[in-house]
Amino acid sequence: DAGVIQSPRHEVTEMGQEVTLRCKPISGHDYLFWYRQTMMRGLELLIYFNNNVPIDDSGMPEDRFSAKMPNASFSTLKIQPSEPRDSAVYFCASSLARPLLNEQFFGPGTRLTVL
Amino acid sequence: QQQVKQSPQSLIVQKGGIPIINCAYENTAFDYFPWYQQFPGKGPALLIAIRPDVSEKKEGRFTISFNKSAKQFSLHIMDSQPGDSATYFCAASRSNFGNEKLTFGTGTRLTIIP
Repeated sequence: DAGVIQSPRHEVTEMGQEVTLRCKPISGHDYLFWYRQTMMRGLELLIYFNNNVPIDDSGMPEDRFSAKMPNASFSTLKIQPSEPRDSAVYFCASSLARPLLNEQFFGPGTRLTVL
Repeated sequence: QQQVKQSPQSLIVQKGGIPIINCAYENTAFDYFPWYQQFPGKGPALLIAIRPDVSEKKEGRFTISFNKSAKQFSLHIMDSQPGDSATYFCAASRSNFGNEKLTFGTGTRLTIIP
């Protein structure tokens, strides 16, 4: 398996523009997580899905952020409009629910820079 | 009550030394405590994990020590090598079969000097 795939790997955009980050989880995994990583705040969970249904979006910073998972093999995180403070590395992770095991597999991340 | 506090923020150790990273949690419902390792430009990856029914777990040069009464756990790296230089995150979750979300610590940037 290729692991979790994220695109793009790098995104540079101007303030006010819409940004869409994409994620393909590991085939067969039933959980998908979106994280944001910054030096100041570390690794923050934004939202997670179980079987394509959003379970907890309490980490989404504000209404400018939205996430969807239309099917088991694809998810998007959208920021509209983007702001410089959204600059961070965004990770997608997936996992498979199994008894006594809770391992999340992370993608390589998307480095977002908002000018 | 969901926090996991991690220290130190950064750590520099000479090759062969034993870096120790500490974490403390508040939520007594947590029963799964993994450590993730992250190299520059990569996503975090699971390194080792422990459950509170044991006080220690070893995998190769990596050891987790767990103190349930103090609600603390730590990562020890024996015979550390320059290749161990990375950022380490502790985490905690409830592991009931529903795969609860992980609550991560703030990370420790470890540098092993040759």
